[in-house]
Amino acid sequence: EAGVAQSPRYKIIEKRQSVAFWCNPISGHATLYWYQQILGQGPKLLIQFQNNGVVDDSQLPKDRFSAERLKGVDSTLKIQPAKLEDSAVYLCASSLEASGSAEQFFGPGTRLTVL
Amino acid sequence: AQTVTQSQPEMSVQEAETVTLSCTYDTSENNYYLFWYKQPPSRQMILVIRQEAYKQQNATENRFSVNFQKAAKSFSLKISDSQLGDTAMYFCAFMRDSGGSNYKLTFGKGTLLTVNP
Repeated sequence: EAGVAQSPRYKIIEKRQSVAFWCNPISGHATLYWYQQILGQGPKLLIQFQNNGVVDDSQLPKDRFSAERLKGVDSTLKIQPAKLEDSAVYLCASSLEASGSAEQFFGPGTRLTVL
Repeated sequence: AQTVTQSQPEMSVQEAETVTLSCTYDTSENNYYLFWYKQPPSRQMILVIRQEAYKQQNATENRFSVNFQKAAKSFSLKISDSQLGDTAMYFCAFMRDSGGSNYKLTFGKGTLLTVNP
């Protein structure tokens, strides 16, 4: 079974530029999560989708971050404009359903460096 | 809001020995889940073990076991017969049982475990 796919794996941009990350969850997984992992810290949830609807985006900086999950499968996370403090690894995870017993499977992440 | 604290930024252990990683959490919830995740240098996060708060029996997965103390809000991970492949960052995580659709993980800052040959 294929795992969670993410691209690109690495991205370097200048501040104030825009960037987009892509995630393809495990086939059949209804729930998709985007986490931000700043160096030296644990991942922090940015947004959770259930199919193509948003469940939780309370920690998403909506003035610069946006995310969508059209058709309830792939998802994209966009930052516009980027700031230095956005340098982090962006992790996508998916689970079969939204429940505590459904394991969240993580992708390899996209490492973003903002100069 | 829930918080997860891992007080050991780094630990090391000799191959074949046993090591225990500490985790405490703060919550007013009664129903929740606790997890230990492993993040090897390649950075793909992998679930190690899960504990449901309503279960008094400590979870075990092969060489990995937990010591869950609900009253003390403590959730430590014991790795027996440590192997070189256990070298990784280990994250303790909390998940509230919301009863709805919101099942986000709240992570601690992690403990970097190095297994020495």
